[in-house]
Amino acid sequence: EVQLVESGGGLVQPGGSLRLSCAASGFTVSSNYVSWVRQAPGKGLEWVSVIYSGGNTYYADSVKGRFTISRDNSKNTLFLQMNSLRAEDTAVYFCASWGGTRDYWGQGTLVTVSS
Amino acid sequence: QAVVTQEPSLTVSPGGTVTLTCGSSTGAVTSGHYPYWFQQKAGQAPRTLIYDTTNKHSWTPARFSGSLLGGKAALTLSGAQPEDEAEYYCLLSYSGAWVFGGGTKLTVL
Repeated sequence: EVQLVESGGGLVQPGGSLRLSCAASGFTVSSNYVSWVRQAPGKGLEWVSVIYSGGNTYYADSVKGRFTISRDNSKNTLFLQMNSLRAEDTAVYFCASWGGTRDYWGQGTLVTVSS
Repeated sequence: QAVVTQEPSLTVSPGGTVTLTCGSSTGAVTSGHYPYWFQQKAGQAPRTLIYDTTNKHSWTPARFSGSLLGGKAALTLSGAQPEDEAEYYCLLSYSGAWVFGGGTKLTVL
């Protein structure tokens, strides 16, 4: 059974930083492309970033230059380093992997940016 | 970055047929955008219904189908059921990056 378990969310002040983690089991992060997707309260889904198996990374314009996606293959874990956080970054952050018959989502971790 | 557009809301009668569409600000949606359709119910993570334009997952009810229609990706629901009431999101690929549409709230009434 595939599980993606996010952690690292919480309350942070504007301008602060957080590092999200997504621990995977039953699924090899390094062999697939894995994304971060966020959903602000009461709003729609927003794709944030992806890391492909070859290591290429892409970002939404809204987070480019502030967020960094990475992975630790030895720990089968995905990360999202979030810097210069803004109120509009407040959301539930999901790690997810889709592609072909693959459709894996974590339960999400809430990030609240507020003073 | 591209903008992906969906109808904000649609209503369908039980047993009826409805088509949700997904357009791109960059022009026609093609199979090269690898269109996905996700269903999200309140309090749950999204789940893929359709991938790569037309392909269904094992859990996708047969009443859902995906296509390209008039330069857009389309999700057609034929024979709507009350349990189909949900938010539906399309997702398009742009040379490695991805963009979700704003979502369509589907009401079965």
